Formats: sequence, C-alpha cells, structure tokens
Amino acid sequence: DAGVTQSPTHLIKTRGQQVTLRCSPKSGHDTVSWYQQALGQGPQFIFQYYEEEERQRGNFPDRFSGHQFPNYSSELNVNALLLGDSALYLCASSPGGDIQYFGAGTRLSVL
Amino acid sequence: GIQVEQSPPDLILQEGANSTLRCNFSDSVNNLQWFHQNPWGQLINLFYIPSGTKQNGRLSATTVATERYSLLYISSSQTTDSGVYFCAAIQGAQKLVFGQGTRLTINP
Repeated sequence: DAGVTQSPTHLIKTRGQQVTLRCSPKSGHDTVSWYQQALGQGPQFIFQYYEEEERQRGNFPDRFSGHQFPNYSSELNVNALLLGDSALYLCASSPGGDIQYFGAGTRLSVL
Repeated sequence: GIQVEQSPPDLILQEGANSTLRCNFSDSVNNLQWFHQNPWGQLINLFYIPSGTKQNGRLSATTVATERYSLLYISSSQTTDSGVYFCAAIQGAQKLVFGQGTRLTINP
C-alpha cells in the first residue's frame, strides 16, 4: 500500500514564475491538506480539500490555489513566486480529516 | 485560534539516555499528533493521542487533555532518534496547528 506521494521532490524557479506541485493520497483517503514549512519552523496550514472543494484555508494569499481531482489526488499552484515562497511543501492525506499522514514533501527554491 | 508550544527547543543527550519532550496547547483539542521529521524532511507519525497514554517500543506518549499538555518519552535513546519532533493539534476544524518543534541530538 503506497503512502502519500508528492512530486517533484525538488524544484528551482525564479521570481515571478508559477509552479504546480502534485500529491497522491494514501489509498482510501479522501481528504488532502497542504502545508508550507519554512526553514527552522513548524509547518503552516495552507488549505484542505475534500470532495473536490476547498474546505478550509489558512492565512495565505490568493496566489496560492489548489485543486482536487475525482481520484482524490491534488495540486497546489503558486503564482507570481516570491523569494519568501522558498520552503518545503508538505501534503497530508486523511480519511475525512482525522489522523493525517504526510508525504516526503517538495522542496521549492525561488531565485 | 489554538496555540501550540513545545519545549525545550533543543535537547542534546548521550546515547542511552532518556528524554521527555513537552507540548502545551492553549485550548481543548479534538486531535493531537506527535511526529518525527527525518533529515530528508518527511514527517513520520509517532502517535495519535488526544488523551491518555500510548506506548510503541521505546517511545511513549501521554496527553492530559484537562491540563492541556502532552509529553513524549524516549527511553534508551539511539543516534537514529536524532531529528526534530513536532506535536500538532486540531481544534474543531481539520487543520493541524504545529508547534515550533524540539530538535533532539543524540551523540554516540
């Protein structure tokens, strides 16, 4: 049984560009959450998707958007990248929002 | 919203020692999880423990919900236990609120 998988593992972009990160949840999980972890900090909640709808959103600007597909996989899109968007982006899946299981993350560097 | 605080921020021990990590939260919670973040960044689930005590090998955790704290115990530490330990809480809605973490270093 595959766990939560994220792609790509690493990404380098320049300021102003757009990026898409992808996440496949654990089998049987219908809820996907995204978190941003800056260096030396704890992860911060970006948003959560359930039944293809954004169920809850953290304190992030509209440049951060997402999508959930019918197979429960999800994408995180960030537009107009800033240097401060450099971070580890973590995806977590859960059966209905209960215990959350995390993927290995995508490390984004913005130059 | 809920606030989560962890202590100590850093802990350095010799192999074989025991350690206690603390997590305080500002309000009642529906869910509390402990994670170990490995050097590659992945968060490994250790415990789901909104209340009570659980044990898994050398690790155990206790959450006293009425007093709003949780403790993670590591006995007979090994160098592979090194890393950052996070606790995270959910209050009401489904987002996890993380503490700042405890960086544990186990020296041989």
